[in-house]
Amino acid sequence: TQLLEQSPQFLSIQEGENLTVYCNSSSVFSSLQWYRQEPGEGPVLLVTVVTGGEVKKLKRLTFQFGDARKDSSLHITAAQPGDTGLYLCAGVSNAGGTSYGKLTFGQGTILTVHP
Amino acid sequence: GAGVSQSPSNKVTEKGKDVELRCDPISGHTALYWYRQSLGQGLEFLIYFQGNSAPDKSGLPSDRFSAERTGGSVSTLTIQRTQQEDSAVYLCASSLYGVYEQYFGPGTRLTVT
Repeated sequence: TQLLEQSPQFLSIQEGENLTVYCNSSSVFSSLQWYRQEPGEGPVLLVTVVTGGEVKKLKRLTFQFGDARKDSSLHITAAQPGDTGLYLCAGVSNAGGTSYGKLTFGQGTILTVHP
Repeated sequence: GAGVSQSPSNKVTEKGKDVELRCDPISGHTALYWYRQSLGQGLEFLIYFQGNSAPDKSGLPSDRFSAERTGGSVSTLTIQRTQQEDSAVYLCASSLYGVYEQYFGPGTRLTVT
């Protein structure tokens, strides 16, 4: 069974601070996704990283995929109250058959950015 | 265009009763997924449908849980003899085959009293 450990589980910071969320596994994933979820809504995809060592930037968010494709990080620069939400990492299985495209989610990080 | 829709948005039921949760995926999406989410937590995979292939049911927690997908579109998740530990948000997602981006519905919040 593939597992993803996400940390920290809770993060409460002031506006303007930087933060990093980590997602670690002992398993290799074909790719890894980061989602953001707001209360009462479903998760929304932020980014997919595919290549080991890949770095992607989305405005103030920087996503990195580990060289061995077992871990990933999300770094937010100068956090704003609008960044508040639940951040989820998800590993994509490339196993064949009925597991194709299956996602394994981390436990999530609840981020609160105070004005 | 229309996204993934789920109904009802909230469901309160008594312990021991059966419930049905509905998911309407995005038109043309051949893959459909059901997940369960406890308050503020990650998503627990339940079941995965892909076209006409046999579904991946490996995440269903017990035989009280079942799901079907009719005509390759709408899906229903049924929970029989509900228990208090079944209380959670049930999320449905759909995607195109071979494309890993999943589009989620808003979820159904199930409360078993």
